[in-house]
Amino acid sequence: KAGVTQTPRYLIKTRGQQVTLSCSPISGHRSVSWYQQTPGQGLQFLFEYFSETQRNKGNFPGRFSGRQFSNSRSEMNVSTLELGDSALYLCASSLDRSNTGELFFGEGSRLTVL
Amino acid sequence: GENVEQHPSTLSVQEGDSAVIKCTYSDSASNYFPWYKQELGKGPQLIIDIRSNVGEKKDQRIAVTLNKTAKHFSLHITETQPEDSAVYFCAASKGAGGTSYGKLTFGQGTILTVHP
Repeated sequence: KAGVTQTPRYLIKTRGQQVTLSCSPISGHRSVSWYQQTPGQGLQFLFEYFSETQRNKGNFPGRFSGRQFSNSRSEMNVSTLELGDSALYLCASSLDRSNTGELFFGEGSRLTVL
Repeated sequence: GENVEQHPSTLSVQEGDSAVIKCTYSDSASNYFPWYKQELGKGPQLIIDIRSNVGEKKDQRIAVTLNKTAKHFSLHITETQPEDSAVYFCAASKGAGGTSYGKLTFGQGTILTVHP
């Protein structure tokens, strides 16, 4: 069974640009969550999607957005990039049967903002 | 909101020794406590979890204990091996429904080094 797939794995952008990251969940998983990982702040929750609807959102500015498609694949977008947005962005999927909380993470997309 | 504190930040042991990592949480409504292992260049991998209706859970060399009254939980690794070297994260969640969807609150991580 394939795991969570994230693309691209690495990317470099400059300040002011925008970026779109993609996530394909484990087959059959309908919930997708996104996390930002940095050395200083650790792992922080961005948002969660289920059936194309955002159900939960963390404390990030509006520059961070996401969406989910009918096949459960998800994308997140960061606009007007800042140096501080450099991070590993992790996607996690879940079966979400009674929302047991088990999350399975992908390898992440490492974003560097210059 | 929920806050999870994890200690120690680094832990160095000899192969065959035991390793213990401890976490405390602030929200008494949290009811799901997973542990993740993250190797260099990879995403976090779920290694064991425990729910608030259970005090202890074991899986081969790994065990987790939960003290709901004190709001702390611990990861125990016995007979450590060099391949156990990684960063370990504890997390807490309210589990089912409401504002908890998809949201885990993580500790800051413990860098475990097992020396051969």
